[in-house]
Amino acid sequence: AQTVTQSQPEMSVQEAETVTLSCTYDTSESNYYLFWYKQPPSRQMILVIRQEAYKQQNATENRFSVNFQKAAKSFSLKISDSQLGDTAMYFCALEYGNKLVFGAGTILRVKS
Amino acid sequence: EPEVTQTPSHQVTQMGQEVILRCVPISNHLYFYWYRQILGQKVEFLVSFYNNEISEKSEIFDDRFSVERPDGSNFTLKIRSTKLEDSAMYFCASRNIAGVINEQFFGPGTRLTVL
Repeated sequence: AQTVTQSQPEMSVQEAETVTLSCTYDTSESNYYLFWYKQPPSRQMILVIRQEAYKQQNATENRFSVNFQKAAKSFSLKISDSQLGDTAMYFCALEYGNKLVFGAGTILRVKS
Repeated sequence: EPEVTQTPSHQVTQMGQEVILRCVPISNHLYFYWYRQILGQKVEFLVSFYNNEISEKSEIFDDRFSVERPDGSNFTLKIRSTKLEDSAMYFCASRNIAGVINEQFFGPGTRLTVL
């Protein structure tokens, strides 16, 4: 079975600081995709960043980057220069069999 | 920028009634999905739809659930004989599998409340 685990239910960070959200997963597939989605209070699901498992280079999108460790099945999200607008629930997701399997989420609160 | 839209944003219904949740996927997308998120819980896959038929469904998607693409634009989720535990946020998503773009684009969700 494919599983995604986010071990941090809640995190907080000061504005302008850096924070890292953890995610581990389990899959028997050799090629797959991993995603981080952001869900603000509006509950809209917004794609933050994606990583193809066959690519060794870590994905980056402006202030967001990942640390992808395929052997360890780890996919953490680093947010640099945190902004108040980053306050949201963050979901790690694994694409398996043309569907997404989500972790339980991490609530991130950015404090001013 | 094209986006997935969903209507209504909030639906309230009485237990035992039927509801239809509507979605308009991005026009050139080929795969369509419904996901569910019970308040405070993780997002769960319900069903995927391709080439006018269900390609995969989860154990949540029981006989009370059905999906349909009645025309070239809409994608609907029907729930018959609604139960209290159907109360959740329902997200529609679509994806273009051609080329390298493979992310699923999510709609804003429909909040279903069953009383």
